[in-house]
Amino acid sequence: QVQLVQSGAEVKKPGASVKVSCKASGYTFSNYYMHWVRQAPGQGLEWMAIINPSGSSTSYSSKFQGRVTVTTDTSTSTVYMDLDSLTSDDTAVYYCARGIDPARGSYTAFDPWGQGTLVTVSS
Amino acid sequence: DIVLTQSPGTLSLSPGERATLSCRASQSVYTNYLAWYQHKPGQAPRLLIYATSSRATGIPDRFSGSGSGTDFTLTISRLEPEDFAVYYCQQYGASPRTFGQGTKVEI
Repeated sequence: QVQLVQSGAEVKKPGASVKVSCKASGYTFSNYYMHWVRQAPGQGLEWMAIINPSGSSTSYSSKFQGRVTVTTDTSTSTVYMDLDSLTSDDTAVYYCARGIDPARGSYTAFDPWGQGTLVTVSS
Repeated sequence: DIVLTQSPGTLSLSPGERATLSCRASQSVYTNYLAWYQHKPGQAPRLLIYATSSRATGIPDRFSGSGSGTDFTLTISRLEPEDFAVYYCQQYGASPRTFGQGTKVEI
């Protein structure tokens, strides 16, 4: 079945960087866009970024522009999300999520989602 | 950015009752690219509805979506115990994709 498995929880100090991975299985990785979404404690869902199937094109929310980088390793069907210059406001659960319909390009709903990765930023 | 406003913030209902959740957009949602997700604590969000009214694979028919333009609704016809959760609407027709702030459906 289609599955997205993310890397484990991270604890980082302010100013550091974090890299979260998302390994896909059960489908043709190179056909689908992938998104990153986060949820801070007690808050709602916040879209961060999208990467195209080949990994050649990305788009980022202006809120994270310059601090976030999303990459793909098609040989291992894995997507990575790097977030730099962490502050306590970046403490959140980070999710990867796949677009549902490759025929509609990047503008599709998200399904499935990874299990989430808790990133805690604390001194 | 398209702002999505969900109402009510919390809906207190009993199993068997009907739930009606609202999502209003600050501008028209392109091609009605509006989705609804269910989110339970400690779990990944689950896609319920996409393109305003299409049920995702495996979603029971007690979940239905409707609307157009700027006003959208998720209806749960008869609440089951497992339906108590937070529900988010999302527009994916424009970048950045945006989510509403969520509606909590509680007992």
